[in-house]
Amino acid sequence: NAGVMQNPRHLVRRRGQEARLRCSPMKGHSHVYWYRQLPEEGLKFMVYLQKENIIDESGMPKERFSAEFPKEGPSILRIQQVVRGDSAAYFCASSAKDRGAIGYTFGSGTRLTVV
Amino acid sequence: AQRVTQPEKLLSVFKGAPVELKCNYSYSGSPELFWYVQYSRQRLQLLLRHISRESIKGFTADLNKGETSFHLKKPFAQEEDSAMYYCALAGANNLFFGTGTRLTVIP
Repeated sequence: NAGVMQNPRHLVRRRGQEARLRCSPMKGHSHVYWYRQLPEEGLKFMVYLQKENIIDESGMPKERFSAEFPKEGPSILRIQQVVRGDSAAYFCASSAKDRGAIGYTFGSGTRLTVV
Repeated sequence: AQRVTQPEKLLSVFKGAPVELKCNYSYSGSPELFWYVQYSRQRLQLLLRHISRESIKGFTADLNKGETSFHLKKPFAQEEDSAMYYCALAGANNLFFGTGTRLTVIP
């Protein structure tokens, strides 16, 4: 079991470009959570998804950010028209049905740098 | 509102000395608390959670509802304990994390 896989590990984008971050949950896990860690801050919840459904997006910025978890394939966190302030580490976690935060497994994260 | 506070950004101790990483929380209901650890260049890993009352790698943490604290303790620090430690509080669908404490164990 490869665990939660995130790619790329590092991503550099120029201001105004789009960033796509991918997360493949652990085998058997159907719940995906995205977190963002800004420099000098703790991890902040962004969005919680199940297959083809967004369950809680209360932590997502209102503009430019979107997330999906299709029936097939990884979960995608998409940031349009990136700005310098989007530079951060983005972590994905997955859990099995009904385990929620108790059964979290984290990926290694994607470090986004906007230049 | 839910909040987790880790007052120390950095903590250095000598090998063999006791270590305590502080965590305070704010939560109106019955809290469920966790400690996560991140070793250099590795992913965030669950270290322990209060409801299981377990000891992992010699670390323990006791929930003190009166002081709203969940401090992480180890009686004798080892060099391999050097890492980032995050305290977290479970919400309905997510975890609220503190800002983390970087522990350095000096040989």
